[in-house]
This record gives sequence, C-alpha cells and structure tokens, in this order.
Amino acid sequence: EAGVVQSPRYKIIEKKQPVAFWCNPISGHNTLYWYLQNLGQGPELLIRYENEEAVDDSQLPKDRFSAERLKGVDSTLKIQPAELGDSAVYLCASSQDRDHEQFFGPGTRLTVL
Amino acid sequence: AQKITQTQPGMFVQEKEAVTLDCTYDTSDPSYGLFWYKQPSSGEMIFLIYQGSYDQQNATEGRYSLNFQKARKSANLVISASQLGDSAMYFCAMRSYYNQGGKLIFGQGTELSVKP
Repeated sequence: EAGVVQSPRYKIIEKKQPVAFWCNPISGHNTLYWYLQNLGQGPELLIRYENEEAVDDSQLPKDRFSAERLKGVDSTLKIQPAELGDSAVYLCASSQDRDHEQFFGPGTRLTVL
Repeated sequence: AQKITQTQPGMFVQEKEAVTLDCTYDTSDPSYGLFWYKQPSSGEMIFLIYQGSYDQQNATEGRYSLNFQKARKSANLVISASQLGDSAMYFCAMRSYYNQGGKLIFGQGTELSVKP
C-alpha cells in the first residue's frame, strides 16, 4: 500500500514569492492533516480536514496561508507571500478518521531567502 | 492546556544496549492516547508505539516498549538492543479523545545516537 505522498520534497524561494505544497493521502483515509515543523521542534498542527471540510484551522495564519482539499482526496497548502520565518518542514498526514493512527509523508522542506 | 515535555535534547547509547527516552505529559482530559514517533534524517515521521490512557498493560512492539506511569504522567520509550539504524530524532506525542479532534501534540524531541 502506498504511503502519504508529498511534493516537492525541497523548495527554495525568495521572500514575497508564492509557494504551494501538494499532498496525496493514503487511499481511503478521510482525515488529512497539515503540520508545520520548525528546526529542532516537534510538528504543530496547521489544519485538519474531514473529507473536504476544514474542521480545525485555528492555527493556520490566514493572512498568508490557505489550503484546500478538493473532492476530499488530494490537498494543497499555499503561502502567499512567503516570509523568511516560513522556512520549515511542512508535513502532511492522513488517517482513516480522527480516532485512528496518523501516517505521515516525507515532508516538504521550504527555504525562504 | 495539553503539553508534552521531553527533557533530553540528546542521548547516546552503545550498540546492543538498552536506552530509555523520557516523556512527561500534562492533560486534564480523562481519555487520551500517547504515541512515539521516530524521525530519521530523511524527514518522515514513523509511528513506533501507542498507549491508551485506559490500557492496563504497557504497550510493546518488537524492540520498543512504553513504560506508562499514569499517576506520574510519564510515558517513557524503552528501546532494547539498540541498532545503528535507531539513530534518529524521537518524538513523544499525545492526543485527547475528549476533544481536540484528533490533533497530536508533540514534544520537542530527543536525538538518539547509537555508537558502534
């Protein structure tokens, strides 16, 4: 069974540029999570989807971050415009539902110059 | 508020020896789960072991065991017979089943280095 797929694995951009990350969850997983992991810290939840509905986006900085999960499968996380402080690893995870184990993708490492 | 504390930024262990990684947690919710994840340099978070707050016995998964002491609010990970491939970051995490909707709260992590 394929795991959670994320792309790109690495992205380097200049500040004020837009950037987008893509996540394909494990087939059949209804719940999808985006986490932010700063260097030397544990991941922190940005947003959680139940199917196509964002049910917890309280930690998402909505002035510059946006996310969508069309048709309840793949998801895209966007930053516009990017700031230096956005340099981090963005992890996507999925689970059958909110009560089941979360499986993580390899993450996208973003560097903002 | 929920919180996970890992007080060991880095640990060293000799190959084939056992090692304990500490984790303490804070929550007022009656039902919760505790997790340990391994994160190698490749970046992926790999699930290792799970303990439910109502589980009577400590969880075990192969060389991994979780030393769960509910009264002390600790959930230490024990790795037996360490291998070179165990060198990685290890994160303790908690999820409330009472609210929070499945959100995982992670600790700061412990970097484990296994010496040959």
